[in-house]
Amino acid sequence: AQKVTQAQTEISVVEKEDVTLDCVYETRDTTYYLFWYKQPPSGELVFLIRRNSFDEQNEISGRYSWNFQKSTSSFNFTITASQVVDSAVYFCALHTGTASKLTFGTGTRLQVTL
Amino acid sequence: EPEVTQTPSHQVTQMGQEVILRCVPISNHLYFYWYRQILGQKVEFLVSFYNNEISEKSEIFDDQFSVERPDGSNFTLKIRSTKLEDSAMYFCASSPTGVGAQPQHFGDGTRLSIL
Repeated sequence: AQKVTQAQTEISVVEKEDVTLDCVYETRDTTYYLFWYKQPPSGELVFLIRRNSFDEQNEISGRYSWNFQKSTSSFNFTITASQVVDSAVYFCALHTGTASKLTFGTGTRLQVTL
Repeated sequence: EPEVTQTPSHQVTQMGQEVILRCVPISNHLYFYWYRQILGQKVEFLVSFYNNEISEKSEIFDDQFSVERPDGSNFTLKIRSTKLEDSAMYFCASSPTGVGAQPQHFGDGTRLSIL
């Protein structure tokens, strides 16, 4: 069975601070994909980033970066120089090769204040 | 950019009534999904649909629920005899393929309130 754990329930930072959101996953599949989705106060789910299990190279995309480590089953997401518009709930999600569904974590609420 | 469209944005229904939630997936996508999010909780998978049939469903998706693709563009979720605990945000999603290499794109959701 697949499982995604986001231990941080809520994080508050001041604008321009960097913030890292943690995600730990469990799966027995060797092929899988990891995602981060953003849910702003308006409620929609916005796809942010994706990583597959074969590629542990960490990347940066604008103010977003992610750290994927198979050895610790973690897929952490960092926002650099946070902005008020980053305030949202962030969900980590897992897709495995044998299932068509996404398994979501419980989400981390990020509050960025001035 | 193409979007998944869901209607209505908010549905209020009396307990015991039937409700149909509607979705228009992105046009060239082949896989369709419904997810549910009870207020303040995580997003939960309900069902996936491919080639006019259910490919996977969760334990939540019992006989009370059904899905249909009545024409070439719409994808619907029907909930029969609604219960108070069915109150939630329902998200439709679509993807070009069923593998994770292609992300699932979500609609803005339908907030279902059962009274």
